[in-house]
Amino acid sequence: ETGVTQTPRHLVMGMTNKKSLKCEQHLGHNAMYWYKQSAKKPLELMFVYNFKEQTENNSVPSRFSPECPNSSHLFLHLHTLQPEDSALYLCASSQDWRSTEAFFGQGTRLTVV
Amino acid sequence: AQSVTQPDIHITVSEGASLELRCNYSYGATPYLFWYVQSPGQGLQLLLKYFSGDTLVQGIKGFEAEFKRSQSSFNLRKPSVHWSDAAEYFCAVGGSSNYKLTFGKGTLLTVNP
Repeated sequence: ETGVTQTPRHLVMGMTNKKSLKCEQHLGHNAMYWYKQSAKKPLELMFVYNFKEQTENNSVPSRFSPECPNSSHLFLHLHTLQPEDSALYLCASSQDWRSTEAFFGQGTRLTVV
Repeated sequence: AQSVTQPDIHITVSEGASLELRCNYSYGATPYLFWYVQSPGQGLQLLLKYFSGDTLVQGIKGFEAEFKRSQSSFNLRKPSVHWSDAAEYFCAVGGSSNYKLTFGKGTLLTVNP
């Protein structure tokens, strides 16, 4: 148990579906992150939120839409995804954006069919 | 630009044998270095980190790593591997000039009985 919880753990969705990934952290951190982990590729940072404000969007396609309603919760809204978007999506948190020590959730395994 | 290279994609060792996983980094300022471990279907767990001070750092589960600035390396070691250490290991770099973590592609460790 790392203090960062992601739901669902597994998700299968069609290319026309809309779904959301949820992340919650119980560590009192102020920064939250979405990473994408694809086979044989390094972890890719997608988004960074610091004190609920988005501070980084790493050229992510608009079919991925993040939302951070408060410092403890982070969502990733998905719509009209492509099969190549299938991956493990990891949420992480840190004390704030200057803290590089990140704590990760267990991830959501997404399959787009 | 910062980068991490993990030269070994897959390493197999026998249980009880010693282990060294290699990590080379590129970073323009003082690096913060991390090793994470990921078991199948799980998120990333922090094994150890180096920010400053003693270049030999101790982590959880009996792991240690040594920071060698002259070689831009941060290799992970364990004197005697257990079957439960089988997992994928990721080296990452961040730091005071760029707080984003950059990950290597990972090294998959297989432990033979």
